[in-house]
Amino acid sequence: GAVVSQHPSWVICKSGTSVKIECRSLDFQATTMFWYRQFPKQSLMLMATSNEGSKATYEQGVEKDKFLINHASLTLSTLTVTSAHPEDSSFYICSAKPPDKSSYEQYFGPGTRLTVT
Amino acid sequence: DAKTTQPPSMDCAEGRAANLPCNHSTISGNEYVYWYRQIHSQGPQYIIHGLKNNETNEMASLIITEDRKSSTLILPHATLRDTAVYYCIVRATMYSGGGADGLTFGKGTHLIIQP
Repeated sequence: GAVVSQHPSWVICKSGTSVKIECRSLDFQATTMFWYRQFPKQSLMLMATSNEGSKATYEQGVEKDKFLINHASLTLSTLTVTSAHPEDSSFYICSAKPPDKSSYEQYFGPGTRLTVT
Repeated sequence: DAKTTQPPSMDCAEGRAANLPCNHSTISGNEYVYWYRQIHSQGPQYIIHGLKNNETNEMASLIITEDRKSSTLILPHATLRDTAVYYCIVRATMYSGGGADGLTFGKGTHLIIQP
């Protein structure tokens, strides 16, 4: 149980285009999902908290107009990188917490590697 | 949140027990110790968590000192697949309403299992 999937697993896009990444909780419902970014040889950095039915909460320094988050249902959150630039190339990872688990027992997706050319 | 300190890297022979230390000397009474690991190019994986008692599950054991200022994650019989970066995170758990909060990852310990 407690499986989180992401799609796509990797994507290459041209500078200036937008890319949508999906995060799904496959066997549980999640009112809250989290989006992280990881640059090479660095640790994960929390970008935003995705709340079902309401606006996402962004961490300081993360542009909400550039990283659009939509949590349309209890099993799906999407992250859209708008007008992507090479510096947005990174490993994007989502996580979710099953309702019966403690707050920080979270389950992560496999990640999406974004390369902007 | 309490700050944690972990060695940047460790080696362990395959088949032996891997003991990963974490120092959290400023931990508060309501803060739990969580361990995650991240295998290269994958999402992190939850391992175990505890408050003050030692904990064991199918993946690992967590030993927390009596003063709670440090802990050790033990992988009893390390395999090559256990090579990963291991993160020790200290947070106060929210149980009311099933709430959740994002995780703050430090640099972790890069555990390398040697054949």
